[in-house]
Amino acid sequence: AQSVTQPDIHITVSEGASLELRCNYSYGATPYLFWYVQSPGQGLQLLLKYFSGDTLVQGIKGFEAEFKRSQSSFNLRKPSVHWSDAAEYFCAVGVRVGSSNTGKLIFGQGTTLQVKP
Amino acid sequence: DADVTQTPRNRITKTGKRIMLECSQTKGHDRMYWYRQDPGLGLQLIYYSFDVKDINKGEISDGYSVSRQAQAKFSLSLESAIPNQTALYFCATSDSTRGQVGQEQFFGPGTRLTVL
Repeated sequence: AQSVTQPDIHITVSEGASLELRCNYSYGATPYLFWYVQSPGQGLQLLLKYFSGDTLVQGIKGFEAEFKRSQSSFNLRKPSVHWSDAAEYFCAVGVRVGSSNTGKLIFGQGTTLQVKP
Repeated sequence: DADVTQTPRNRITKTGKRIMLECSQTKGHDRMYWYRQDPGLGLQLIYYSFDVKDINKGEISDGYSVSRQAQAKFSLSLESAIPNQTALYFCATSDSTRGQVGQEQFFGPGTRLTVL
């Protein structure tokens, strides 16, 4: 079955510290992977995406993610966290619908990031 | 102006009432989606539409219905609201012209629905 797992429900880091949010997926074909961020009271904003090519992808706000096929993972990283990064983060995988070249997203449960001063 | 708008932003209603949530987009995208978000469960797909004549059920469609009135408008209805439909509802859009599976989706600001 297609699924996305984010093992950490809640993470707290100090401002300036590095961050890694974990994401594991289950999908039989080539995955299309996304990270979204949801700030309080806001909709979801795309941070970055992986379709093919270089397995290390750069996104907005200084985030990056690395696709590791052998581990079925797509972990999100940031070298130095800012207080404004406090939000909920969602990993998602794009899956094919039927036999058509169309798809939908399956989301993980989300990880809430708290940043300590 | 926002590309994807949702109305209302907040709604409190009573059990058994019919509720409609509306979504409009100015992005020119052909695909539209409705999700609900519950704490600890992430986003779950309710319905999705790849064009005006193509509507599909998602993982949790029971108790919901949708209408795609035009390419730019996609409404979600709760025919008889119940308390466990209390959640945050998001509309999203994507563009099929890129021809890729799992295209990036663009989200509205959400509607917070409370069913008493």
